[in-house]
Amino acid sequence: EVQLEESGGGFVQPGGSLRLSCVASGFTFSSYEMNWVRQAPGKGLEWVSYIGSGERTIFYADSVKGRFTISRDNAKNSLYLQMNTLRVEDTAVYYCARDRLAYFDVWGRGTLVSVSS
Amino acid sequence: EIVLTQSPATLSLSPGERATLSCRASQGVGNYLAWYQQKPGQVPRLLIYDASNRATGIPARFSGSGSGTDFTLTISSLEPEDFAVYYCQQRSNWPRRTFGQGTKVEIK
Repeated sequence: EVQLEESGGGFVQPGGSLRLSCVASGFTFSSYEMNWVRQAPGKGLEWVSYIGSGERTIFYADSVKGRFTISRDNAKNSLYLQMNTLRVEDTAVYYCARDRLAYFDVWGRGTLVSVSS
Repeated sequence: EIVLTQSPATLSLSPGERATLSCRASQGVGNYLAWYQQKPGQVPRLLIYDASNRATGIPARFSGSGSGTDFTLTISSLEPEDFAVYYCQQRSNWPRRTFGQGTKVEIK
């Protein structure tokens, strides 16, 4: 079964840091481009970051550029998101999502990040 | 940034009725549009990609149409499990993909 499982969310104060992880199973992770997509409580979906299958191509939404870093370890079937200088507006459920034709065809269950003082 | 505007915000229908959801783009996106379904407490599920192609395992009652700036998701006859929030998403401005704000389909 194709699966993505996120971890690493939690409560953090503004200015703090968190590192999210996503472990993939059931497919050849190294062959797929991957993304992080977030959803603020009761709100819609926002694409956050993209990484190519070979790690060389990386993009960020303007709202997180310079603060977040996406990476992957194909040997461990894992995707990561290092989040620094967190803001209250970064509060959301963060989903790991597989990229297919630039759409998101497989989603993890998400991990909640809460930023508050 | 390409802005996607979905209408209506809420659609109140009964099981068995036809649902028609709209997504309008602020500029042309060709046919590079997808639809997702999200049930309460669940993750989004890809329904339609490239405007009219059903994703794997999606029932035939779901269909998509449109191109350019105007798109429609149609559910031909609502089943109880179809009551959910639906989002459109464009990939024309890759990598800066954007989503609409969602349409909630609720039981009347």
